[in-house]
Parts: sequence; C-alpha cells; structure tokens
Amino acid sequence: NAGVTQTPKFQVLKTGQSMTLQCAQDMNHEYMSWYRQDPGMGLRLIHYSVGAGITDQGEVPNGYNVSRSTTEDFPLRLLSAAPSQTSVYFCASIYGGEQFFGPGTRLTVL
Amino acid sequence: KNEVEQSPQNLTAQEGEFITINCSYSVGISALHWLQQHPGGGIVSLFMLSSGKKKHGRLIATINIQEKHSSLHITASHPRDSAVYICAAVSGYALNFGKGTSLLVTP
Repeated sequence: NAGVTQTPKFQVLKTGQSMTLQCAQDMNHEYMSWYRQDPGMGLRLIHYSVGAGITDQGEVPNGYNVSRSTTEDFPLRLLSAAPSQTSVYFCASIYGGEQFFGPGTRLTVL
Repeated sequence: KNEVEQSPQNLTAQEGEFITINCSYSVGISALHWLQQHPGGGIVSLFMLSSGKKKHGRLIATINIQEKHSSLHITASHPRDSAVYICAAVSGYALNFGKGTSLLVTP
C-alpha cells in the first residue's frame, strides 16, 4: 500500500489564483480529513469526510472547498488564494483509531 | 471548541532520561491521539486512548478521563526520539490539537 499520498509537495501561488491540492489513499478508509499547520497554531481541521459523498466543515473552512466522489480521493480546492493561506497542508485518514498522514504540501501565497 | 493544552512547550533531555509530556483538554472527549512529527515534517500516529494506559516499546501513554488529562512517557530516551509530540482530542468527528511539545534528546 502507498498509504496516504499528497501532491504537489511544494506550491507557490499568486494572490487570487486557484488550485487543487490532491490527496489519495489506497487503504479503503472511510474517514479522511484536511489540516493546516501554522507556526504557533498547531494543526487545525479544515474539512473532513466520513465517506464518499459526505463532507463537513472543520474549524477553519473559509476559502476552501472539498468533495469526495470516491473513497480514495479527497481533493482540497483553494478558490481564490490569499497570503493568509500560506501554510503546510496535511491530508489524513483514520481507521481503527490510528491516523495515517500524508507527507504534506507546503503552500506559499504571494 | 475543545481547548487542548500541552506542557512543556520545549524540552531538552540527556540520553537515557525518563521524559513526560502532558496534555490537558477542556471538554469531555471520546478519545485522544498522540502523534509524533519528525524534523522532516512527517507525522506518525503513536497511540489512540480512550481510557487507561497503552505501551509500545519505550513509549507509554496514559489518560485520566475524570481529570481531562493525558501523559506521554518515554523511558530510556534516545536522540532518535527528538521530534515534536502532539496530542489531539477527539469529540465526535472533530479533532482539536495541542500546539505540540518540541523534544530534543542530546547524547
């Protein structure tokens, strides 16, 4: 199993641009989530999904959209990037009480 | 929102020392996770607890539901234990994270 994969690893955007961060897992886990990690703030939940077709907002959802058309994929869309969205983004799945994290995407918005 | 506090924020220990990292939370939870973030940024899951105590190798995690407190202990610490340790409180489908404890173990 490849586990949880994320692409890209690094991305630089200009303010106002849109992009999609990709997340995929091959473990058939129902629960997937997106976090952002900022210095001094810890990890914060953006959106999560408990299965295909079901998504919900976390603590900091503004400026982000998600969809879950398949069990495997859980993309995160930035609609109009802002400098405040500069962060490291982690995708994760949970199964049997264990969290499986992707390697992260470092995003810079200029 | 469940406020999750970790202490200490930073910790330096000598190889072989016994280490304790604390995590407290403000609202009742269904479970608590301990995570380890390596210097390269990768995050791995160490434990999930809903009661009592769990042990894996030199790592021991305990939780006291009544006191809303959990501890992570590392016995016989080693430089390879140097990392950021993060606790996360689970309430329903939401996870609230502490800001992490940065541990440096020196030879």
